[in-house]
Formats: sequence, C-alpha cells, structure tokens
Amino acid sequence: AQSVTQPDIHITVSEGASLELRCNYSYGATPYLFWYVQSPGQGLQLLLKYFSGDTLVQGIKGFEAEFKRSQSSFNLRKPSVHWSDAAEYFCAVAGSGNTGKLIFGQGTTLQVKP
Amino acid sequence: EADIYQTPRYLVIGTGKKITLECSQTMGHDKMYWYQQDPGMELHLIHYSYGVNSTEKGDLSSESTVSRIRTEHFPLTLESARPSHTSQYLCASSRQGADTQYFGPGTRLTVL
Repeated sequence: AQSVTQPDIHITVSEGASLELRCNYSYGATPYLFWYVQSPGQGLQLLLKYFSGDTLVQGIKGFEAEFKRSQSSFNLRKPSVHWSDAAEYFCAVAGSGNTGKLIFGQGTTLQVKP
Repeated sequence: EADIYQTPRYLVIGTGKKITLECSQTMGHDKMYWYQQDPGMELHLIHYSYGVNSTEKGDLSSESTVSRIRTEHFPLTLESARPSHTSQYLCASSRQGADTQYFGPGTRLTVL
C-alpha cells in the first residue's frame, strides 16, 4: 500500500536560514509526488509537483524539491526562509491506478524565528 | 489560479441537525474530492467523484453522503450531525488522470 512519511512534525528555523523538509514515500511504481502548503484556516496550495523528467523540480515562492528514487524521498528545500513561510507543509503521492487519489503525509509545521 | 469555492467557511451547529457543505468549481474539472482533516493531522479522503452521477467512498469511512448532479457542484451532507463530526472539510478538484488537485479554503465544522 502507498504511504507517505514526514519524519519531522515540527521544525523551527531562523529567518534567512536554509530549510529542508523531509518526505519519504512507499510506492511500487514511478510515483507522482506533490508538496502543498497550508496557512492557518486556509486550504492547500500547490508548491510543486513531480511527474517525470528532471528530478530537481522548481516551485513557487522559491521552493524546490528533489526526487531520489534510490532513497524513496522527495525533500523540499528553500535557500532562505522568510517569515511568511511559516505554515503547515504536506507531502503527497498519487495513489495507484488512474483515480487521482492523493495520500498525504501527516504534515510538518514550520515556525520561523525573527 | 484555481477557482474552487466552499461555503460556509465556518459552521457551529447542535447535535442532530442536518447540514450540507457546499463545494463549487468553475474550472470544468471532472474529478472532485472531499477530504477530512483534524487539527494538526493529515488529510483523509472521504469521498470522490469521476464526473456527473459518479460518487465513490474514500479511504476513511464517513457517515456523510455526496452527490454529483452537475459538473461544477459537489455537496456533502450529514443527515444527523454529531460531535464526532467536528473537523475541517476540504474540497478539491482535478482534471482526469493523476493530475494536480486544487483545493478550496475549507469548511470548519463544530458540532456541539
């Protein structure tokens, strides 16, 4: 069965510091992978996605993620964090078949210190 | 920019009431989804639809029901709300295939 693990429940970084949020997935075939961000009281906004091709994916707001098949990982990175990046981040994998169902990790809460 | 709307945004009701959470999208997407999210937790799929007159139950069992009479509209109904239904409900849509899902702002439901 497909699953997504985000090992870090909560991360605190200083503004201007670099950021890496970890995501590991379990999936039998080539996965479709997503990172979403959720601000308090809001829905989810897509940051970036990987379907195929270049394993380094660029997204919005200066985020990027790298797909590593050998490690079953899709970690999210940003070189310099801004206070407005404080939010909940979810990694997701599209389920098997063509249903389009997403399986989410439990999320990582990012806190940014001034 | 995705155009998907949910109403109400917040709802506080008493036990036993019937409620309908509305979800509409203007993108012409065939697929629509309902997720349930408890505070600080991941999203769990409770219903989805491939198109008009198509509805399927998701991975998380739910006492709610859905309908899909029009492409753009995917309402969720609870016949008799209970405190255990207190949660955030997020609606999403996508084109056919394993494509990007666009999310609405969510409805935060509290049942007293």
